[in-house]
Amino acid sequence: NAGVTQTPKFQVLKTGQSMTLQCAQDMNHNSMYWYRQDPGMGLRLIYYSASEGTTDKGEVPNGYNVSRLNKREFSLRLESAAPSQTSVYFCASSEGTGGRPQHFGDGTRLSIL
Amino acid sequence: KQEVTQIPAALSVPEGENLVLNCSFTDSAIYNLQWFRQDPGKGLTSLLLIQSSQREQTSGRLNASLDKSSGRSTLYIAASQPGDSATYLCALNTGTASKLTFGTGTRLQVTL
Repeated sequence: NAGVTQTPKFQVLKTGQSMTLQCAQDMNHNSMYWYRQDPGMGLRLIYYSASEGTTDKGEVPNGYNVSRLNKREFSLRLESAAPSQTSVYFCASSEGTGGRPQHFGDGTRLSIL
Repeated sequence: KQEVTQIPAALSVPEGENLVLNCSFTDSAIYNLQWFRQDPGKGLTSLLLIQSSQREQTSGRLNASLDKSSGRSTLYIAASQPGDSATYLCALNTGTASKLTFGTGTRLQVTL
């Protein structure tokens, strides 16, 4: 039972490069989320998808785009990477909205030089 | 805007000790509160979820309480073990979209 799978686990980019972080869940969850975790800042929500076909901005959406490809997959794209986007990115999913618990992947560690 | 604070930022205790981790929040209009554990280099593992209508939840040696009126939650760990060493995060759900607002965590070390 894989749960939430994120790829890649590590990545180094140069400023200005683009990249897509992949996330897939096998729990038949409706809702999916992208967070970033920075030292001293806690996790902050970038974008979320309450259900297939919908996406909404979170607290820190600037510089990112998302695609809910299908019910299983939710990708996060950096169009032109900046050093300020160096972070650990976590994908999560939940059965739905209304206070269901969220389940997290192991994260993608992204460094932008 | 909801603000979540966890104090202390770090805690070291000897094995076998009972301990309490604290989480405080500024807006009592919450749907639920979730406690997570994060091991170094890993993702978050959900430990307990307390709905806004509940006062506490228990799982094994863990007990979480919620007091919305005072804006506080505590995570009680009984008979701590070295395997409990991790960072513990609390997160609040304040809307129907289940978006979470996280605290910065308490890093716990349980020593032999």
